[in-house]
Amino acid sequence: GAGVSQSPSNKVTEKGKDVELRCDPISGHTALYWYRQSLGQGLEFLIYFQGNSAPDKSGLPSDRFSAERTGGSVSTLTIQRTQQEDSAVYLCASSLYGATIKNEQFFGPGTRLTVL
Amino acid sequence: EDQVTQSPEALRLQEGESSSLNCSYTVSGLRGLFWYRQDPGKGPEFLFTLYSAGEEKEKERLKATLTKKESFLHITAPKPEDSATYLCAVQVLNSGYSTLTFGKGTMLLVSP
Repeated sequence: GAGVSQSPSNKVTEKGKDVELRCDPISGHTALYWYRQSLGQGLEFLIYFQGNSAPDKSGLPSDRFSAERTGGSVSTLTIQRTQQEDSAVYLCASSLYGATIKNEQFFGPGTRLTVL
Repeated sequence: EDQVTQSPEALRLQEGESSSLNCSYTVSGLRGLFWYRQDPGKGPEFLFTLYSAGEEKEKERLKATLTKKESFLHITAPKPEDSATYLCAVQVLNSGYSTLTFGKGTMLLVSP
């Protein structure tokens, strides 16, 4: 079956503009995660969804970042008033069960965001 | 604070030259340790999960082992196609659910 897909693959935007990043998880996976990967840094956890609910938003860097998930499937990460420090690769992952059960996360290819 | 440290940061090997990558961790409530491979411009690809000290898993030229404080990824007779960044992550319990905390990775280059 299809893996996790993300769109767009690349996004270049101007400072101050809003951007939306999309993630389509593996069909049937109930848990969805967003991470950010900056050059030379490890993956930084942003937010976790179980179904449509987000029990953990603690990783979101600021209130300019928000995310939603609808129908227990597609998720959108929105960054408002983008800043240059937001430039990074944004990765989405999904797992079959909720995060309370030991299970593997499968990653999408990422969206490379560049803020000029 | 949970910490995951990978070493070395970069490793260059000749084809056929075996070696090991290290992942040391200090976490409370470890639920599992994950190894991923990441190729340039792609998302991480799942390799292994280890759940308890003493556990070992193998896949082709890779073998992962786990102790109470660290994990090793052993690469036997590597080939150029094994070149990638290898990421280690620990799954920890956090207020009723689990999250992954990643190390910064080891960039492996295997020369023919």
